[in-house]
Amino acid sequence: KQEVTQIPAALSVPEGENLVLNCSFTDSAIYNLQWFRQDPGKGLTSLLLIQSSQREQTSGRLNASLDKSSGRSTLYIAASQPGDSATYLCAIPKAAGNKLTFGGGTRVLVKP
Amino acid sequence: GAGVSQSPSNKVTEKGKDVELRCDPISGHTALYWYRQSLGQGLEFLIYFQGNSAPDKSGLPSDRFSAERTGGSVSTLTIQRTQQEDSAVYLCASSSWTSGGADTQYFGPGTRLTVL
Repeated sequence: KQEVTQIPAALSVPEGENLVLNCSFTDSAIYNLQWFRQDPGKGLTSLLLIQSSQREQTSGRLNASLDKSSGRSTLYIAASQPGDSATYLCAIPKAAGNKLTFGGGTRVLVKP
Repeated sequence: GAGVSQSPSNKVTEKGKDVELRCDPISGHTALYWYRQSLGQGLEFLIYFQGNSAPDKSGLPSDRFSAERTGGSVSTLTIQRTQQEDSAVYLCASSSWTSGGADTQYFGPGTRLTVL
């Protein structure tokens, strides 16, 4: 059974600092890995999806890496802004288009 | 285009009553998922529909929970005889089905259910 862990559960950084968010998983036989953002009282917004065959994926200030052998993914957010304050979740589907197993999330606060 | 929509956004009910939650997926998406997000449990999978295949109900917590998807589009999640532990945010997501490409799940805003 896949288990997904995100540590730390909460993170506070000053504006401008780079953010590093960690996601670890127990079963390396993954189809892809997805990073989401959730604002308080809102649904989830997809940020990045890394296919199993990829090592990293980039979108603007966001960069996500994937190391299946060690069961880890890292989401980097460059030059953080107060608007980046949210909870970030990683999730892994069992197979193509399948149900997601989520980590517990990392709650990020970027202080102006 | 329009995203995933859910209704109602908030629902307060009394213990023992039945509730229905609705999800309208993105047009053309053949896969539809229900998840539940509660304080103590994080985000949990409930049920998954893909095209005309039998749904994957492996995440439903009890037989009080059921869901249907009519015409391959709109889905309704029904909770019978609600209990206080059913209080949570119920999230719906949809995705397009591909054989080898990306299949990001797009989430709706959720329905916050409170059982008094």
